[in-house]
Amino acid sequence: TQLLEQSPQFLSIQEGENLTVYCNSSSVFSSLQWYRQEPGEGPVLLVTVVTGGEVKKLKRLTFQFGDARKDSSLHITAAQPGDTGLYLCGNSGSRLTFGEGTQLTVNP
Amino acid sequence: DTGVSQNPRHKITKRGQNVTFRCDPISEHNRLYWYRQTLGQGPEFLTYFQNEAQLEKSRLLSDRFSAERPKGSFSTLEIQRTEQGDSAMYLCASSLGADYNSPLHFGNGTRLTVT
Repeated sequence: TQLLEQSPQFLSIQEGENLTVYCNSSSVFSSLQWYRQEPGEGPVLLVTVVTGGEVKKLKRLTFQFGDARKDSSLHITAAQPGDTGLYLCGNSGSRLTFGEGTQLTVNP
Repeated sequence: DTGVSQNPRHKITKRGQNVTFRCDPISEHNRLYWYRQTLGQGPEFLTYFQNEAQLEKSRLLSDRFSAERPKGSFSTLEIQRTEQGDSAMYLCASSLGADYNSPLHFGNGTRLTVT
C-alpha cells in the first residue's frame, strides 16, 4: 500500500510571504494530482503532473515533480488570504489515494 | 455543467439508525467515487464505480456500508446500524474517460453526525 506523507501538516503565514509544501511517497507515483479544499466544500483539482522532473505553473503556484517520481512540491509566491485551504496530494489511479493534507492559513 | 450534487448536505442521526446519501454526478461522467473525510484529514477512498459496475471497495467499507449505482447515473451510499465512529463528511466525485489522470470533480459532501 502506497503511503503519502505531506508536510508540514499546518502552516500559518502572513499575506505576501512565500511558502512550500511537500508530498512524499513510499513508492513511485504513476502520476500525481494536487487539490485544494476550502471549508465546507469538496476538493478542487489544481494540477496533474506525470513526468519525472516536470514543473508546472498556475499563476502564483509552482508545482514540481521529483525526478524519481516519489516526491512533489507546491510553492506559492506572495500568498494571499484566498489561498487559505487544505492542500492535498493524491496518487492517480483507479483509486485516487490522498495524503493527510497541509492546512494553510494566510493572514491578512 | 451543473457539477456533482450531494444530498442531504447535513444528516444527524441516532446510533443504530440507517442512513442513505445520494450523489448525482456530472451527467456524462462514467466513473463515480465515494470518499470519507474526518476533520483535519485527507479523504479516504471507500468505493468506485465505472458505469453501473462497482469495481473496487476499500476494506474500510464494512458490511454495514453498501453503495449502488443502478443505472450508471446517480449513486446511493447506505450505512446500516450507524455508529458514532461513522460521523464524518462523505464525499462523492465523478470523472470522465478511460484515463486515470482525468480530474475528479467532487461534490460538497454530506456531513453525517451520529449521536
